Amino acid sequence: TQLLEQSPQFLSIQEGENLTVYCNSSSVFSSLQWYRQEPGEGPVLLVTVVTGGEVKKLKRLTFQFGDARKDSSLHITAAQPGDTGLYLCAGFNFGNEKLTFGTGTRLTIIP
Amino acid sequence: GAGVSQTPSNKVTEKGKYVELRCDPISGHTALYWYRQSLGQGPEFLIYFQGTGAADDSGLPNDRFFAVRPEGSVSTLKIQRTERGDSAVYLCASSLRADRLNTEAFFGQGTRLTVV
Repeated sequence: TQLLEQSPQFLSIQEGENLTVYCNSSSVFSSLQWYRQEPGEGPVLLVTVVTGGEVKKLKRLTFQFGDARKDSSLHITAAQPGDTGLYLCAGFNFGNEKLTFGTGTRLTIIP
Repeated sequence: GAGVSQTPSNKVTEKGKYVELRCDPISGHTALYWYRQSLGQGPEFLIYFQGTGAADDSGLPNDRFFAVRPEGSVSTLKIQRTERGDSAVYLCASSLRADRLNTEAFFGQGTRLTVV
């Protein structure tokens, strides 16, 4: 069973601060995705990283895929209240084509 | 509609009853996933279809759970003899096809199942 552990589980910070969320596994993934989920809604894709060491930026969000393709991080600069939500990483393997989700990080940005 | 549609949005049932949850994926999407999510947790994989066949059903917790996708489009998740522990949000997602270039999963809003 492939497990993806996210840390921290909960994070509450003031508007304008920076933060990093981690996604770790003992398994190698073909690609890794980050989703954000708001209450009552399904997760929505933010980014997909495919190559070990890859870094992608989406406005104030920076995503990195570990060199060994086992871990990833999400860094948010100057957090805003609109960033509040449940952040989920998800690993995908081309062999079994199963999308496995992490344990989730609930982020709250305080105005 | 343009997105993944799940019905009903809420379902309350008595312990021991049978329930069916429906998922209507995005037209043309061959891959379909079912997940179960408890409050504040990440979605837990249940089953994955590629076309009409269940390519991976390793996440189904026991034989009370079954899913079908007879025509490669709409899917139904069936739960027999429901238990209180089955209470959760059941999410359905579809993707164009599960290969290197098309791994983005589009999710429905989920069905909140409550077993009383």
